[in-house]
Amino acid sequence: NAGVTQTPKFQVLKTGQSMTLQCAQDMNHEYMSWYRQDPGMGLRLIHYSVGAGITDQGEVPNGYNVSRSTTEDFPLRLLSAAPSQTSVYFCASSYRAGGTSEQFFGPGTRLTVL
Amino acid sequence: EDQVTQSPEALRLQEGESSSLNCSYTVSGLRGLFWYRQDPGKGPEFLFTLYSAGEEKEKERLKATLTKKESFLHITAPKPEDSATYLCAVQAGDSWGKLQFGAGTQVVVTP
Repeated sequence: NAGVTQTPKFQVLKTGQSMTLQCAQDMNHEYMSWYRQDPGMGLRLIHYSVGAGITDQGEVPNGYNVSRSTTEDFPLRLLSAAPSQTSVYFCASSYRAGGTSEQFFGPGTRLTVL
Repeated sequence: EDQVTQSPEALRLQEGESSSLNCSYTVSGLRGLFWYRQDPGKGPEFLFTLYSAGEEKEKERLKATLTKKESFLHITAPKPEDSATYLCAVQAGDSWGKLQFGAGTQVVVTP
């Protein structure tokens, strides 16, 4: 199993550009989520999904969109990048939504918005 | 509002010098408390889940404990390879797997 994979590893954008961060898992996990990590602030939840076709907002959803058309993939879209979105982004998955199973994290995408 | 506070922010230890990290929390109905380890440039790696006050879990030199208000991660006789940032997170009873993370404790163990 590859686990949770994320692409790209690094990305530089200009203000106003849009892009999609890719996340995939091959563990047949129900639950997937996106976090951003900023210095001194810990991981903050952006969006999450409890299954294909079902998504919801987390703590900091503004400026981001998600969709979940398959169990495996959960892309994060930045609609119009802003310098405040400079961060490290992590995708995570766990076996069951609603349970307390551990979340597996991907290696992260480091995004810089100029 | 759920809140997680970790202390200290940073900890520097000599190899073999045992210490403890603290995670204090307020949450509406704790469903689970999680400890993760994060190495520089990598994603968090799961260590433990604790469910109820009084529970303890161990893995090598690490031991996690839980009370109704806080959790401790004890590092016994640490080695340089234990250097990492340790993250604590809570899952509330009404959440769908959503985790609330603390800011982490950065641990450096020197030979």
